[in-house]
Amino acid sequence: DVKVTQSSRYLVKRTGEKVFLECVQDMDHENMFWYRQDPGLGLRLIYFSYDVKMKEKGDIPEGYSVSREKKERFSLILESASTNQTSMYLCASSMLTGELFFGEGSRLTVL
Amino acid sequence: GIQVEQSPPDLILQEGANSTLRCNFSDSVNNLQWFHQNPWGQLINLFYIPSGTKQNGRLSATTVATERYSLLYISSSQTTDSGVYFCAVPTYGNKLVFGAGTILRVKS
Repeated sequence: DVKVTQSSRYLVKRTGEKVFLECVQDMDHENMFWYRQDPGLGLRLIYFSYDVKMKEKGDIPEGYSVSREKKERFSLILESASTNQTSMYLCASSMLTGELFFGEGSRLTVL
Repeated sequence: GIQVEQSPPDLILQEGANSTLRCNFSDSVNNLQWFHQNPWGQLINLFYIPSGTKQNGRLSATTVATERYSLLYISSSQTTDSGVYFCAVPTYGNKLVFGAGTILRVKS
């Protein structure tokens, strides 16, 4: 079975904190993605990666960075969390055909 | 870029009823996916369907690529079918463009 695992389902952080969201896939997929989902705005792509140590900006990269040191792991980093980054964060991975698989999601609240 | 439109935006069904959800896309695509987002927020793959028809239990999907639409059929709906249904098509680099979703509520 396909498995994409996100490290935390629910997080509460303070403004200004550094936040790490971790994502691991066990399918040997080349492509990995981070989305955020907000009411009325749908799913928006933050960053994606086609290979280890490679990253590309998505539609809303401001305030975020990513790390992909190993093929199976893709981390999203909020250098200094702000209240407007309160959201649902969804990690996904895909095979070369493009079929996408999502993790369970991480609900982040920034106070 | 490619546009994806889903209809209807909202749907309320009585348990046991059937429904059809539609996804229109503005350009040629080589694949299309349907997802169900459950009340806990997880997006579950339903179908990966570039063309033709696939069935999985009470759900089936048909994509007519030449006419740029896909349909998701839900038969004998159950309360567990409630949630949001998304379709998505690829743009460059295997990134997906998502529709706005159809919110389905099934009442018992």
